[in-house]
Amino acid sequence: EVQLKESGPGLVQPSQTLSLTCTVSGFSLTDYSVHWVRQPPGKGLEWMGVMWSGGSTAYNSALKSRLSISRDTSKSQVFLKMNSLQTEDTAIYYCTRPGFDYWGQGVMVTVSS
Amino acid sequence: DVVMTQTPPSLSVAIGQSVSISCKSSQSLVHSDGKTYLNWLLQNPGQSPKRLIYQVSNLGSGVPDRFSGTGSEKDFTLKISRVEAEDLGVYHCVQATHVPYTFGAGTKLELK
Repeated sequence: EVQLKESGPGLVQPSQTLSLTCTVSGFSLTDYSVHWVRQPPGKGLEWMGVMWSGGSTAYNSALKSRLSISRDTSKSQVFLKMNSLQTEDTAIYYCTRPGFDYWGQGVMVTVSS
Repeated sequence: DVVMTQTPPSLSVAIGQSVSISCKSSQSLVHSDGKTYLNWLLQNPGQSPKRLIYQVSNLGSGVPDRFSGTGSEKDFTLKISRVEAEDLGVYHCVQATHVPYTFGAGTKLELK
């Protein structure tokens, strides 16, 4: 069964770095890409970036300077790191597969002091 | 970046009615491989999005055939025939032809 699960801190202070993990099962990271998508409260979805199956990455140009995505294939995990967080980064963060066929349950991240 | 213009922003419907949602892109969504990567998602309240339609018109796994997708190039439509209560929520279109992928602003389907 395909599953994705996000984990990370629920609260981050302004100007600090967000670190999230997406742990997958039921498929291999070397066969499928994993995408990160976020949704501010009451707003729409925003594509953040992707770890392609071959190991390269691509990012939303608006976030590129602050965002880094990496992975550990042996642990079936994809990592998101975003620095210089501001209140506007408060959102639910999701990881999802290509074609958006499977999603994690999401993790709510609040940026506040 | 490709801009996805989704309309209307909200719809009020009665159970059993049919509705359509439009999504227009600022560029053609035909990929160099010949496929068109336009998806439709439904996000029920408090839930993660769920894929309904992929590549314009293909029904996702387990999705009832009350849902259908049409369109080409830059103009796409999702139709829901005979709306049921479980269909209420926010519908999103998303293009996965061009990086960065981009979403429409969403359409909220509510009960009349």
